Amino acid sequence: DTGVSQDPRHKITKRGQNVTFRCDPISEHNRLYWYRQTLGQGPEFLTYFQNEAQLEKSRLLSDRFSAERPKGSFSTLEIQRTEQGDSAMYLCASSALQEAPNSPLHFGNGTRLTVT
Amino acid sequence: GNSVTQMEGPVTLSEEAFLTINCTYTATGYPSLFWYVQYPGEGLQLLLKATKADDKGSNKGFEATYRKETTSFHLEKGSVQVSDSAVYFCARNTDKLIFGTGTRLQVFP
Repeated sequence: DTGVSQDPRHKITKRGQNVTFRCDPISEHNRLYWYRQTLGQGPEFLTYFQNEAQLEKSRLLSDRFSAERPKGSFSTLEIQRTEQGDSAMYLCASSALQEAPNSPLHFGNGTRLTVT
Repeated sequence: GNSVTQMEGPVTLSEEAFLTINCTYTATGYPSLFWYVQYPGEGLQLLLKATKADDKGSNKGFEATYRKETTSFHLEKGSVQVSDSAVYFCARNTDKLIFGTGTRLQVFP
């Protein structure tokens, strides 16, 4: 079990640039989630996939954010025209559908985004 | 609405002291309840869970009981250690996991 891996660990970008993050879930997990965490706050739900289908998007997710999971395995989260308010830790998690909603989420170590 | 409320931190304790971190939730239906822990420099890890009323989750000396009548899931440990210093998050799950704001625990020798 290699766990959930996220890449990159850190990203520094200038305001207005686009960034893309990648998440590789635990291989047998059907569900994949994206969260955002800012300092002193709990993780905030952004979106989740069941296999390749995006089932829910939070109202927090503006039009500048898009997530994909094209083959039901890894996922990407893209932020276009980044703003300073996008600076946060972006967390990916996965879980097994068969145990939902009781299955715990397994989290990656996150991608820390800093927009200057 | 659906939310999770935790006591604010930091909670500062001496080693071997008793710990309680309060957590209450609101939700439609009967959510599963979780405590996650985030050690310094590490990712979120599941600490314990309970899936129905009166269930008690336990792990590493920590316990929490799912109390439907008070909509609570308070975290307790009888004797904390310095290595328990971390941020603790209460969370509830129906179709997605919703977290509280976290409570920082600092344990001093």
